[in-house]
Amino acid sequence: ETGVTQSPTHLIKTRGQQVTLRCSSQSGHNTVSWYQQALGQGPQFIFQYYREEENGRGNFPPRFSGLQFPNYSSELNVNALELDDSALYLCASSSRGTSHEQYFGPGTRLTVT
Amino acid sequence: SQKIEQNSEALNIQEGKTATLTCNYTNYSPAYLQWYRQDPGRGPVFLLLIRENEKEKRKERLKVTFDTTLKQSLFHITASQPADSATYLCALYNTNAGKSTFGDGTTLTVKP
Repeated sequence: ETGVTQSPTHLIKTRGQQVTLRCSSQSGHNTVSWYQQALGQGPQFIFQYYREEENGRGNFPPRFSGLQFPNYSSELNVNALELDDSALYLCASSSRGTSHEQYFGPGTRLTVT
Repeated sequence: SQKIEQNSEALNIQEGKTATLTCNYTNYSPAYLQWYRQDPGRGPVFLLLIRENEKEKRKERLKVTFDTTLKQSLFHITASQPADSATYLCALYNTNAGKSTFGDGTTLTVKP
């Protein structure tokens, strides 16, 4: 059984650019959630995907968007990057019936300059 | 909306002692309370979950209590070890919304 993987590990972008982060869910999991974690803070829920549809969204602007693919992997896209978007982006996978047991990936550290 | 407060930013204890971390919440809605461990530069690792109708849950050296009257959860690590040093996150999983709301964490340091 493979765990949750994310790529890339680190990324540096310039303000105004666009970025795509990727996540492969744990084997057998069909639900993916994305979180943003600023330094010294807890993760903040961005959105969740189930069956390739967005299934709940946190307080993030529309420039944060996502996709889920038939193999349950997922992408997070952020347009028009701002300095405050610098954070650790975490992906968590779960099974629909036990979606309260989330398994997190190692995260992607995004730095916006 | 739900708000989670973890009372201490940092907790330092001696090896062998019991560490007790506190989590308070507001605006309760049907939820499970979760505890995670996070090491620097890593994603959170799920430790324990306690449901609203449960008072206490144990797993090896870990114990979690959930008091819906006080709106508080306590997380205990008994016989603490330096390897227990990490940031511990409390979260409320909203069963209707399918999302977790996290506190900012308490960083525990266990000194040998």
